[in-house]
Amino acid sequence: AAGVIQSPRHLIKEKRETATLKCYPIPRHDTVYWYQQGPGQDPQFLISFYEKMQSDKGSIPDRFSAQQFSDYHSELNMSSLELGDSALYFCASSRGGFGPLGYNEQFFGPGTRLTVL
Amino acid sequence: AQSVTQPDIHITVSEGASLELRCNYSYGATPYLFWYVQSPGQGLQLLLKYFSGDTLVQGIKGFEAEFKRSQSSFNLRKPSVHWSDAAEYFCAVVTYNQGGKLIFGQGTELSVKP
Repeated sequence: AAGVIQSPRHLIKEKRETATLKCYPIPRHDTVYWYQQGPGQDPQFLISFYEKMQSDKGSIPDRFSAQQFSDYHSELNMSSLELGDSALYFCASSRGGFGPLGYNEQFFGPGTRLTVL
Repeated sequence: AQSVTQPDIHITVSEGASLELRCNYSYGATPYLFWYVQSPGQGLQLLLKYFSGDTLVQGIKGFEAEFKRSQSSFNLRKPSVHWSDAAEYFCAVVTYNQGGKLIFGQGTELSVKP
């Protein structure tokens, strides 16, 4: 079965550079969530999209922006990178968020490991 | 705000011994509850989930969890641990009024002794 694809898997950047992380959801999934997991930390919700519209926002820095495109893939753009941005970034997809039938399970991608030097 | 607490940061058990990982949540209504496992440098794999109904849920790899409303707990158990179970385990909650995002506990790192 098709899974969530994230690219790149690993990314190394210098401070103050920019980075773009991509997420390709499972076919027919219309909802994408982004999470950030710092070293030794639990995953923290950043932002989510449903049907190409932002649906929720967590503790995402203003230096970060994201969008969901017409084919439902999503990109997380990170500018003015800081050392503290080094983390594992997960994308998860689902078919709908909370709908009439309740919660729709999120499926996680393998993550993108970002290292800022 | 709702939260998830995993009181044990690190647990070590002997191979073949039983395991229980604790998880407590703070929320007024019954949330949707999950346990995920993460091997080093890997993604998150869903072990099991509780939405409603039978409070004892079975998952993959021989894991089970029991939802106890009176204790606001959702503890993960396995009767006999294998060396391959060594990993980080996260309890997570989703609530209806939070748009479906997962809120994770701090994680419990499991080590398995031969």
